[in-house]
Amino acid sequence: DADVTQTPRNRITKTGKRIMLECSQTKGHDRMYWYRQDPGLGLQLIYYSFDVKDINKGEISDGYSVSRQAQAKFSLSLESAIPNQTALYFCATSDFRGKGEQFFGPGTRLTVL
Amino acid sequence: DAKTTQPTSMDCAEGRAANLPCNHSTISGNEYVYWYRQIHSQGPQYIIHGLKNNETNEMASLIITEDRKSSTLILPHATLRDTAVYYCIVRTKTNQGAQKLVFGQGTRLTINP
Repeated sequence: DADVTQTPRNRITKTGKRIMLECSQTKGHDRMYWYRQDPGLGLQLIYYSFDVKDINKGEISDGYSVSRQAQAKFSLSLESAIPNQTALYFCATSDFRGKGEQFFGPGTRLTVL
Repeated sequence: DAKTTQPTSMDCAEGRAANLPCNHSTISGNEYVYWYRQIHSQGPQYIIHGLKNNETNEMASLIITEDRKSSTLILPHATLRDTAVYYCIVRTKTNQGAQKLVFGQGTRLTINP
């Protein structure tokens, strides 16, 4: 079983719709992250969380919100989706006691029409 | 934050060593060099990291120059499955000590049969 899972894996939606992407992890890590990747580009950090009570904005947080429901769950929401939010979204985790590496989920491909 | 410069693309023959260079001339004394790879839109995968000494693990070797301004990732016996985009990342930290990863565009490595 995968340590970091994301649902859904693919989603097509329309402009203005509210969308939630979910991430779960069984690694027991305290830190979780959301990234987006546009075609041909590297990953950009949207939000990150150190623990359930700690949420921080990343480089491109406008238009997104997050919720850390439990240590193992971190959700990303698009309140009103727009076409330029069409991208590949990755969740990642890390352990503050570790070597600093992050472990990524398989990604969610989101298309906003 | 230290920035990295990598070639856009490289080719290597199967079975040969693949040497991927990275320049990070503005790296500071307490920043580590991390390498990740991303295989065809999958989640990025951690490969290796180092501070100033050369490092080796089951996946690769990392050679860091004495002045730390550049490094080379070595895949000793490249296989077709090593075809991926390779990211060289200098780890940044926020004031709260977060371990953010700043992804550039990476090097697209193609292993040829």
